[in-house]
Amino acid sequence: DGGITQSPKYLFRKEGQNVTLSCEQNLNHDAMYWYRQDPGQGLRLIYYSQIVNDFQKGDIAEGYSVSREKKESFPLTVTSAQKNPTAFYLCASSIGPKRSSYNEQFFGPGTRLTVL
Amino acid sequence: QQPVQSPQAVILREGEDAVINCSSSKALYSVHWYRQKHGEAPVFLMILLKGGEQKGHEKISASFNEKKQQSSLYLTASQLSYSGTYFCGTEKRAAGNKLTFGGGTRVLVKP
Repeated sequence: DGGITQSPKYLFRKEGQNVTLSCEQNLNHDAMYWYRQDPGQGLRLIYYSQIVNDFQKGDIAEGYSVSREKKESFPLTVTSAQKNPTAFYLCASSIGPKRSSYNEQFFGPGTRLTVL
Repeated sequence: QQPVQSPQAVILREGEDAVINCSSSKALYSVHWYRQKHGEAPVFLMILLKGGEQKGHEKISASFNEKKQQSSLYLTASQLSYSGTYFCGTEKRAAGNKLTFGGGTRVLVKP
């Protein structure tokens, strides 16, 4: 079955630690995204990548970093510079605007990060 | 730049209809609609492109008024499974395939 996987499902971090959230897709999608969702709020874009070895900052990139070394993988690192990292993190992918006008996004199950 | 959704919340009885609106102040290339159940990931419902093309689930209908930069999602003959939070995401071509999401509309369908 094709899909997007995120791990871990729950993650606890001590203040001052960096943590990396995993996102893998086997949909052969070109584009991948990371969103942050706070309780009762909408989705805010952290970073996105339209192609391997290239990525762009979203609206709230400060305190986060990403890499896109493989088409299937787009890990997100939450650094100690992120002042309030407790949130629900969602990864998504889409086929990419160069391959389709219909560029709907498919989401992974999410990772809940809690800073202790 | 975040699109504005209205209403913020709606309560329906099974079988009733509702309309959710999404408005943007910017010229749009497309509008996406997603539904999220509590604690789960958003699920794609519909995409509407500038020019009239659209793609989505058969039981979901929506419209896109390009002059007003407004989209509406129609929940017809609502079922219990329609409960959740509905988000619109707007895309400006100049921004590539980056979506900006609205704050969401909470829908509760009661028996």
